[in-house]
Amino acid sequence: GQQLNQSPQSMFIQEGEDVSMNCTSSSIFNTWLWYKQDPGEGPVLLIALYKAGELTSNGRLTAQFGITRKDSFLNISASIPSDVGIYFCAGPSSGTYKYIFGTGTRLKVLA
Amino acid sequence: EAGVTQFPSHSVIEKGQTVTLRCDPISGHDNLYWYRRVMGKEIKFLLHFVKESKQDESGMPNNRFLAERTGGTYSTLKVQPAELEDSGVYFCASSQGSNEKLFFGSGTQLSVL
Repeated sequence: GQQLNQSPQSMFIQEGEDVSMNCTSSSIFNTWLWYKQDPGEGPVLLIALYKAGELTSNGRLTAQFGITRKDSFLNISASIPSDVGIYFCAGPSSGTYKYIFGTGTRLKVLA
Repeated sequence: EAGVTQFPSHSVIEKGQTVTLRCDPISGHDNLYWYRRVMGKEIKFLLHFVKESKQDESGMPNNRFLAERTGGTYSTLKVQPAELEDSGVYFCASSQGSNEKLFFGSGTQLSVL
């Protein structure tokens, strides 16, 4: 079945640094969603992308819908301690309304 | 506006027992999804309701899992009898349209001992 692979799997960065992570698939997606999960909480939607090439920002977060429609990128600028968490990408499986999730990128920010 | 709420937040049961999880979606959201995250792995789809109908239950692990959404409002997910491998965090999510943003609840942490 379809899979979403995220990289890196985990990253440790210094506060103030910029972060980049990506999500790739072997098949085309028409929607990309980016979520953040804090410990003990459910995933919270950060950004939604609906069109190839689309670039959308939400505060210090910027996400892009890859032009091939097989990938998406999330950037966080000037990271702060509360950016710590697991970031997931998600998209609807081909021909269905079933959203599948990526493997997650665990982010740790060192003050 | 209330978000997606799940109950209980934690449940610890013994193997062989029954547990029922509840999800109240955002008011007006016809689409309700159940997901599970096991042992820090990815979030896996279980099933999708549109109103009271099961649209897709391809992710349900086996017939020990039963989901219902009578009346198209809240949903329950029952595990009977529970096995050790059923432990994990069960998330519920809802959306207004079928291809729209999913909003998640805080999850139910299930531990089967």
